[in-house]
Amino acid sequence: DTGVSQDPRHKITKRGQNVTFRCDPISEHNRLYWYRQTLGQGPEFLTYFQNEAQLEKSRLLSDRFSAERPKGSFSTLEIQRTEQGDSAMYLCASTYSGGASQTQYFGPGTRLLVL
Amino acid sequence: GQQLNQSPQSMFIQEGEDVSMNCTSSSIFNTWLWYKQDPGEGPVLLIALYKAGELTSNGRLTAQFGITRKDSFLNISASIPSDVGIYFCAGYDKIIFGKGTRLHILP
Repeated sequence: DTGVSQDPRHKITKRGQNVTFRCDPISEHNRLYWYRQTLGQGPEFLTYFQNEAQLEKSRLLSDRFSAERPKGSFSTLEIQRTEQGDSAMYLCASTYSGGASQTQYFGPGTRLLVL
Repeated sequence: GQQLNQSPQSMFIQEGEDVSMNCTSSSIFNTWLWYKQDPGEGPVLLIALYKAGELTSNGRLTAQFGITRKDSFLNISASIPSDVGIYFCAGYDKIIFGKGTRLHILP
């Protein structure tokens, strides 16, 4: 296993379109996190899953955002009716919650540009 | 809400110099993490700290978890060009990131 992967790496879309991103975590990790990062800022927490259950959602996650992890492995993040303010880097991270370490390992991110 | 304050925001140093940056918070965290992020990439974990007072090294990097669990520092010794990037601290339980310290190395 080579780590967390994300697809696509880059996405350019027009305002109003829907986009979907995918994250494949490290295989033995049961927790998966989504973050958003804008220029000059650190990553901001959006939501996380433990196995297939979505346990927490940030207030940043508007109704236009939905995330799923149907089989407890990969996850998707969908943004409906995109707005220019959605332009950002979307990061996925995973960890194993059962051990002493809860260190999160990040994927390379999906950079979204909404025109 | 919880916030992490990183300082300095930006650093310009000569190659070979030592670097020190820190992170403070008004809240207590059980774990502190230091990440480095290169442009267009996700953050990469450098050091994880789990116990108050813990001092941990990873090659030229050294980080310490403050006794009060409200602060941490990261030192880089003998900086090299590939150290250029943005360094983020992050605190657990609910993971919160600082805004980063941008490290620039002058030739």
